[in-house]
Amino acid sequence: ETGVTQSPTHLIKTRGQQVTLRCSSQSGHNTVSWYQQALGQGPQFIFQYYREEENGRGNFPPRFSGLQFPNYSSELNVNALELDDSALYLCASSFGLAGGIGNEQFFGPGTRLTVL
Amino acid sequence: DAKTTQPTSMDCAEGRAANLPCNHSTISGNEYVYWYRQIHSQGPQYIIHGLKNNETNEMASLIITEDRKSSTLILPHATLRDTAVYYCIVRVATAGGTSYGKLTFGQGTILTVHP
Repeated sequence: ETGVTQSPTHLIKTRGQQVTLRCSSQSGHNTVSWYQQALGQGPQFIFQYYREEENGRGNFPPRFSGLQFPNYSSELNVNALELDDSALYLCASSFGLAGGIGNEQFFGPGTRLTVL
Repeated sequence: DAKTTQPTSMDCAEGRAANLPCNHSTISGNEYVYWYRQIHSQGPQYIIHGLKNNETNEMASLIITEDRKSSTLILPHATLRDTAVYYCIVRVATAGGTSYGKLTFGQGTILTVHP
């Protein structure tokens, strides 16, 4: 069984640029959630995708957007990067809508984004 | 989702039990208690969850008080590899609403296991 994978591992961008982060869900999982973790803080929920549609969103502006593909992999896109976007971006996958008991979220190792 | 309160940090000797407390005094009847941990530079790892009964799995035990206002995660024989940030999360586990699928992480407890 393959776990959740994310790419790239590290990324450096400059303010105003755009970035795309990628996530491959664990085998058999059809739901992907994205989280942002600033240094020294707990992860903050960005949004969740289920069957290729956004299904729940946290308190993040529209320049944070995502996609889920038919194979359930996902992308997180961030436009007009700001310095405060520097963080670890985590992807988590689950089977079914990640709200039911038993549909626990399994996290990937994250992508470390630095915005200069 | 109800708010949780955890100590900022705790120490434990290797081989001893680590008991991590969590206060969730505003928990609702349909909210579960979840525990995750995050080892340095890795993604969070699911440990255990429960509603009102005590739970045990291969990683840990979860003790929930009868009034459900607090709980304790127990690592029975802590090892150096258990050094991590431990998050106690309370959330609704039914469909619908803006909290669906969302894990609300607080600051967590930094557990340091020393030789």
